Amino acid sequence: NAGVTQTPKFQVLKTGQSMTLQCAQDMNHNSMYWYRQDPGMGLRLIYYSASEGTTDKGEVPNGYNVSRLNKREFSLRLESAAPSQTSVYFCASSEWDRGLYGYTFGSGTRLTVV
Amino acid sequence: QKEVEQNSGPLSVPEGAIASLNCTYSDRGSQSFFWYRQYSGKSPELIMFIYSNGDKEDGRFTAQLNKASQYVSLLIRDSQPSDSATYLCAVKMSGGATNKLIFGTGTLLAVQP
Repeated sequence: NAGVTQTPKFQVLKTGQSMTLQCAQDMNHNSMYWYRQDPGMGLRLIYYSASEGTTDKGEVPNGYNVSRLNKREFSLRLESAAPSQTSVYFCASSEWDRGLYGYTFGSGTRLTVV
Repeated sequence: QKEVEQNSGPLSVPEGAIASLNCTYSDRGSQSFFWYRQYSGKSPELIMFIYSNGDKEDGRFTAQLNKASQYVSLLIRDSQPSDSATYLCAVKMSGGATNKLIFGTGTLLAVQP
């Protein structure tokens, strides 16, 4: 059972380049999320998908787009990377379970934009 | 005011002592509260959740919730050097049917051998 798998683990981009971060979960969860984590800022929600076919903006969506490809996969795209997008990106998934739930996180993507 | 606040630390405790980590939140209607542990360079992992006022114990960990005062805490008994990590408090805010969580910035715990 792999849980949540993110690719790539590390990436260096030049300003203006584009890339897609991939995320897949094998726990049959309905909800998936993309967070970024910066020193002193904590985890901030970029986009989320409550269920297959729906996506919504989180706290810091500017400069990003997402696609919920199917129930398993949720990708995050940077169309024109900027140095301000240098961060660690985490994908997570969750399911409602008798009113209690928690996220399962992927291992993260460390992105540097130069 | 931030929605979920934590002291960034570092909180330094000697091995074997009790570590007390605190978190306050702004949304009085919040229902579910979580503590995640994050080792340096790793992803967060869920260690405790609580949704009722009072204490919830799991091994060396106790989560405490006081909704009237809008704070949640995590106690770690018999602290070990392996407990040294950043502890993230997360809150499910009221409203909406989604499960999105708001995270605090985390408290760095250092357990001294």
